[in-house]
Amino acid sequence: GAVVSQHPSWVICKSGTSVKIECRSLDFQATTMFWYRQFPKQSLMLMATSNEGSKATYEQGVEKDKFLINHASLTLSTLTVTSAHPEDSSFYICSAREERNQPQHFGDGTRLSIL
Amino acid sequence: GESVGLHLPTLSVQEGDNSIINCAYSNSASDYFIWYKQESGKGPQFIIDIRSNMDKRQGQRVTVLLNKTVKHLSLQIAATQPGDSAVYFCAENNQGRDDKIIFGKGTRLHILP
Repeated sequence: GAVVSQHPSWVICKSGTSVKIECRSLDFQATTMFWYRQFPKQSLMLMATSNEGSKATYEQGVEKDKFLINHASLTLSTLTVTSAHPEDSSFYICSAREERNQPQHFGDGTRLSIL
Repeated sequence: GESVGLHLPTLSVQEGDNSIINCAYSNSASDYFIWYKQESGKGPQFIIDIRSNMDKRQGQRVTVLLNKTVKHLSLQIAATQPGDSAVYFCAENNQGRDDKIIFGKGTRLHILP
């Protein structure tokens, strides 16, 4: 149980394009989803917290107009990297949690490469 | 605050031996702690968790110890196997306040044949 699916797993695109990443909880309803960014050989950095039906809460230093998050249903959240540039290249990972006092379950990440 | 890792420390352990991975957490108000395992190119995988009202919790081949006095967490893996090779992250959470999970720097576990 507690499977989180992330799609796509890998994407390469040109500078200036927008990229959408999907995160789905397959066998549970996720009231809260989280988006992380991870650089090589580094830890996960929380970007934003998303509660279903509410606006996402962004961490300090994360541009909300650059990283658009939508959590319209209890099983789907999307992260859109708008007008992506090479410095946005990274490993983006989502996680989902059913209730507040339960652990987060992670997707397998999306490797984003901007040329 | 947020954890910013540089180069991951590496722990090399002989196959079959026990592994102990240590973590110092930052927030004395954290009340929930989790260990995650991350294999190359994948997302973190939940291993075991512990709440602040406990100091030890055991799972299958894994044990987590919590010392709140010195803000220290450890993960013990018994009879380490090649499949245990991965990066291990501790994470802390303050469920009573902002409810964010903050990841530690991570430790790479390397299994020697």
